Amino acid sequence: GAGVSQSPSNKVTEKGKDVELRCDPISGHTALYWYRQSLGQGLEFLIYFQGNSAPDKSGLPSDRFSAERTGGSVSTLTIQRTQQEDSAVYLCASTIPSAGQETQYFGPGTRLLVL
Amino acid sequence: AQSVTQLGSHVSVSEGALVLLRCNYSSSVPPYLFWYVQYPNQGLQLLLKYTTGATLVKGINGFEAEFKKSETSFHLTKPSAHMSDAAEYFCAVSEVGAGSYQLTFGKGTKLSVIP
Repeated sequence: GAGVSQSPSNKVTEKGKDVELRCDPISGHTALYWYRQSLGQGLEFLIYFQGNSAPDKSGLPSDRFSAERTGGSVSTLTIQRTQQEDSAVYLCASTIPSAGQETQYFGPGTRLLVL
Repeated sequence: AQSVTQLGSHVSVSEGALVLLRCNYSSSVPPYLFWYVQYPNQGLQLLLKYTTGATLVKGINGFEAEFKKSETSFHLTKPSAHMSDAAEYFCAVSEVGAGSYQLTFGKGTKLSVIP
């Protein structure tokens, strides 16, 4: 596709359930980022992938959060035992690395609501 | 760690008036600076960025920003506001993490344009 796509666009779940959020980056983009956008915290970095490896997981808020990327393309962010404070919009971005000067291209996000 | 401060969480201007959105950053090294725009229920779109070279940067939709190192600022301006400019604007700095160039965002400024 032409841009970054994310699915589902909206997800409502009950506290304690696991959820999986998917990101399809722009074809050829080797770098992939996950961010979280919430009312209280603004936009926060979660994790970075270069190819299939994740050299920077420093933004993951707890061990309930994990992510993987397969084939250097699709990435899945998994939240286990969801809590109400996990409610947020989860944004994915992809790019071709250029020592920090690169533009990150964002998907439309997945809006997660934990009841 | 670097940080970004956006003065004013909400700015209102009349259609045709000057738009000025303020951004200050803290950094011990020359940063890469970005302005992104987010329309309702959409992802972030790059307006403009400063990496090196000319300190006055022109972006899409008539926006521009000037990097002022002495003031640690990167304010966004547009001479004449249009109704379609109503959106949320985020200033960001590229920060080298544990092998990534994650973006650190300000809290955002919501721009309203009054007809």
